Amino acid sequence: QVQMVESGGGVAQPGRSLRLSCAASGFTFSSHGMHWVRQAPGKGLEWVAVMWYDGYNEYYADSVKGRFSISRDNSRDTLYLQMDSLRAEDTAVYYCARAKGGGDPNDGFDVWGQGTMVTVSS
Amino acid sequence: QSVLTQPPSASGTPGQMVTISCSGSSSSIGSNPVHWYQQLPGTAPKLLIYSNNQRPSGVPDRFSGSKSGTSASLAISGLQSEDEADYYCAAWDDSLSAWVFGGGTKLTGL
Repeated sequence: QVQMVESGGGVAQPGRSLRLSCAASGFTFSSHGMHWVRQAPGKGLEWVAVMWYDGYNEYYADSVKGRFSISRDNSRDTLYLQMDSLRAEDTAVYYCARAKGGGDPNDGFDVWGQGTMVTVSS
Repeated sequence: QSVLTQPPSASGTPGQMVTISCSGSSSSIGSNPVHWYQQLPGTAPKLLIYSNNQRPSGVPDRFSGSKSGTSASLAISGLQSEDEADYYCAAWDDSLSAWVFGGGTKLTGL
């Protein structure tokens, strides 16, 4: 069945780095845009980044621009989020989500992983 | 403060209809489709409505979406207890070159 499984979350000190992974299965990964969305404890959803199906278009929320980097390996059906210079406000559950299509604005996020928790604390 | 504005809460009783609004701008809702998500307590979000008014397979037709100008609405008819959840709208914003979410609406009272 279609699913995505995130990993790589944990506790990191401010200023340090973490790399999240999202392993996809059950669908043609290379045909879909892929997103990262986060949710701070008790708060709403915040979009983080997207990479289109072909890996050539990527966009970021202002809150993470210059610190986070999204990438994908279509040969491994895996999405990544490299998070550098972490801050306390980056503490959240991080979800990977599949775009219904290639990644453009017409595409809702139709499949979500279960999320991985990132805690930034000294 | 979210780019898309939703009421923080809504309530209804079983069988009623409730509507949740989502207000944006010309660069977000005014220029791009709106998508709606349902998040049940302790679970990942689920796509409820895409492209303003389209339902993914498996979503009951009690859920419907509409858009007019820079605002959108989610309507839930025949409310059921399992509809108690948080609901979020989302759209691409051309000015920000970013996806934006509403702050979420908690539906209670069921």
